[in-house]
Amino acid sequence: DAKTTQPTSMDCAEGRAANLPCNHSTISGNEYVYWYRQIHSQGPQYIIHGLKNNETNEMASLIITEDRKSSTLILPHATLRDTAVYYCIVRGHSGNTPLVFGKGTRLSVIA
Amino acid sequence: SAVISQKPSRDICQRGTSLTIQCQVDSQVTMMFWYRQQPGQSLTLIATANQGSEATYESGFVIDKFPISRPNLTFSTLTVSNMSPEDSSIYLCSVVRQNMNTEAFFGQGTRLTVV
Repeated sequence: DAKTTQPTSMDCAEGRAANLPCNHSTISGNEYVYWYRQIHSQGPQYIIHGLKNNETNEMASLIITEDRKSSTLILPHATLRDTAVYYCIVRGHSGNTPLVFGKGTRLSVIA
Repeated sequence: SAVISQKPSRDICQRGTSLTIQCQVDSQVTMMFWYRQQPGQSLTLIATANQGSEATYESGFVIDKFPISRPNLTFSTLTVSNMSPEDSSIYLCSVVRQNMNTEAFFGQGTRLTVV
């Protein structure tokens, strides 16, 4: 079973920041928080991951709470192309560990 | 990034028949993973395919229904056997690169419709 809880859906105005929350209260010490998204009819795409520090890359920022029980993915300037289902996944940092997907958050970016 | 070629991209099949889906990766990987995504649902892991050994199946999936081959480190197949309309789904293969990110890469999926 997925170890994360996310809102079912969210809306965001184009050009505004999209803040997607994720609860992972049972995360263990060696598990990372990964974010993926799936744009309609495509395979999931990696966005970002982190262990305990906040992370930023060209796509997004990841804010992890100090107790690591929750996190927020931030898309700083959402565009229509960011409309997708966003998955927050907790997993070990191993190439032999598959992703276990929860239901994700369907983000709709509105013009 | 890993390049994964998955085929066929889509197919319409008669019930009772079988379909084999192929997944080719552009570099050697230890594990390959097969997922199913039913209409409007999230991805569900079917099995993990390790080269040189039998695949490991998740609860609810059995080898007789979803036989998997993994003949080398760059290729795997998933067969959907004795299909019924309930097998209509998107099937995806995935690999994880053991690099700094250990990010997973996915094929574009096979959209299967069983009639």
